[in-house]
Amino acid sequence: GAVVSQHPSWVICKSGTSVKIECRSLDFQATTMFWYRQFPKQSLMLMATSNEGSKATYEQGVEKDKFLINHASLTLSTLTVTSAHPEDSSFYICSARGTGQTEAFFGQGTRLTVV
Amino acid sequence: GQNIDQPTEMTATEGAIVQINCTYQTSGFNGLFWYQQHAGEAPTFLSYNVLDGLEEKGRFSSFLSRSKGYSYLLLKELQMKDSASYLCAVRSDRGSTLGRLYFGRGTQLTVWP
Repeated sequence: GAVVSQHPSWVICKSGTSVKIECRSLDFQATTMFWYRQFPKQSLMLMATSNEGSKATYEQGVEKDKFLINHASLTLSTLTVTSAHPEDSSFYICSARGTGQTEAFFGQGTRLTVV
Repeated sequence: GQNIDQPTEMTATEGAIVQINCTYQTSGFNGLFWYQQHAGEAPTFLSYNVLDGLEEKGRFSSFLSRSKGYSYLLLKELQMKDSASYLCAVRSDRGSTLGRLYFGRGTQLTVWP
């Protein structure tokens, strides 16, 4: 089956610093990648959708300048949380889908804690 | 807009059968997914329905009625390891983002011995 690798699994950073999360499709070309955020006991909230080689489409209420998304190749997308604050602490999950695929495959998720 | 509704919590005993319902109102409907998510982990795919009817896969079955905007996930022969959150997600192929998923809040299932 298709494998999506997300790193790091967890990260602790100081308030004001930036954190980069990587999402890689290991055995297929991901034409579309989705980035989600999930608070405890809540469902997944879509933050943005990125297509390879084009700018990401952000959901309403998500700050583009704070959550930078890059999808420079068909196997890699990155999410950078800039100037992180404690309220950015959350579980971030990516999913990737290739051309002709029905299902989008999830990465393992990244637990971000900002102190 | 998109509206997906499922129960918040359910409990059942080992060996029993449980049905988790999901109702939705979605424009551009193009399929419904069920995912299982254990605490602190990413969701794992369980099933996909795009046509009306029942899809069976081992102990898990999923049903869809597009006219009623309704789906259920049926879990048979429950095991302790089935304790998890079950997410209903609808795919919409309308608007600026084709193929995006809209997730319900999830149903936390607890299986008791």
